[in-house]
Order: sequence, then structure tokens, then C-alpha cells
Amino acid sequence: AQSVSQHNHHVILSEAASLELGCNYSYGGTVNLFWYVQYPGQHLQLLLKYFSGDPLVKGIKGFEAEFIKSKFSFNLRKPSVQWSDTAEYFCAVNGWAGNQFYFGTGTSLTVIP
Amino acid sequence: DGGITQSPKYLFRKEGQNVTLSCEQNLNHDAMYWYRQDPGQGLRLIYYSQIVNDFQKGDIAEGYSVSREKKESFPLTVTSAQKNPTAFYLCASSTRLPGQGETQYFGPGTRLLVL
Repeated sequence: AQSVSQHNHHVILSEAASLELGCNYSYGGTVNLFWYVQYPGQHLQLLLKYFSGDPLVKGIKGFEAEFIKSKFSFNLRKPSVQWSDTAEYFCAVNGWAGNQFYFGTGTSLTVIP
Repeated sequence: DGGITQSPKYLFRKEGQNVTLSCEQNLNHDAMYWYRQDPGQGLRLIYYSQIVNDFQKGDIAEGYSVSREKKESFPLTVTSAQKNPTAFYLCASSTRLPGQGETQYFGPGTRLLVL
């Protein structure tokens, strides 16, 4: 079975600090990878996604993620966070052959002004 | 506006009562999903449907039921058999973009509280 691990449960950063959130998955086949963000009081939004090609994916609001196949990882990065990035971040995996999505437990990010 | 709507935003249930959460999408997506979100546990899949009149159990289907009579609608019933129904329920739909596989989109959620 597929599983997704997010190692950081709570992250607190000051504005302008760099961010890296870890995501590892266990699945032997071809996967599609996603990061979703849930701002306070808002619904889950797609931040970025990887399907194929360049393993460095750029998303909205200056976020990027790198797919490292050998490490089964898809870490999310942002060079300089803002207070408005305070949110919960979820990594998700979808196997190429099926519709089912698997989500990590989420990382709560708090950015202090 | 295209999107996924869920109603109601808040729902209160008495012990032993069945309640139904609504999910409608006008995105013309074939697949629809129901998740339960609890603090510290992320999203857990309850049921999903890849096509009208067909659905499959997810990881935590016990105490829940669904129907998929129309492409745009995927209601979730929380039955009295669900012992811990207080949670935030998210509905999603997905589409397969050319060369990109499935991408999932979410509704605003329904918060269910048991009285």
C-alpha cells in the first residue's frame, strides 16, 4: 500500500527565513506528486504538482518542490517565507494507474512577522 | 463559477441520528471523493467514485454510506454506526489532464458536530 510521510508536524519560522518541508512516500511504481495548502478558514488549494519531466517543479506564490526518485522524496521549499504563508501543508501521492490519492498528516507552518 | 460546493458548512447531529452531507461539482469531473480530516491525522479517504453508479470504500468507510446517481453529485451519509463522527469532511473531485494524470480539487468542507 502507498503511504506518505511528512516528518515536520509543526514548523515556526520568522519572516524571510527559508523553508523546507519534507515529504517521503512508499510506492514502487510511477507516481504523481502534489503539495496542497490550507490557509486558515479556507479550503485546500493545489500549490504545485509533478507528473513527469523536470524534477524541479515551480508552483504558486514562490514555492517549489524537487522530486528525487532515488529517495522517494518530494520536498517543498521556499527561499523566503512571508507571514501570509501561515497555513497547513499537505503532501499527496497518486499512482499512475488509479484514482486513489494518499495524503500525509500535514505540516502546520506558522510564520512570525 | 466552476467549482465544488458542500453544504451545510456546519452540521449538528444528535446521538443515533443519520445525517447526509451534500457535495456538488460543476467541473464535469468523473471522479469524486470524500475525506475526513482530523487534527494531526491529515486526510483519510472514506469513499470514492470513479464513475456514476459506482463507488469504492476507502480506508475508513465503516459507519458511512454514499451514492452516485448523478455525475455532479456525491452525497455522504454519516450513519449512527459511526462512533466518532465529529470531524471536518472534505469532498473532492478529480480530472485527468492530457499527459498529466489525475489532479484533485477540493470543496470548502463541512464541519460535523455531535451533540
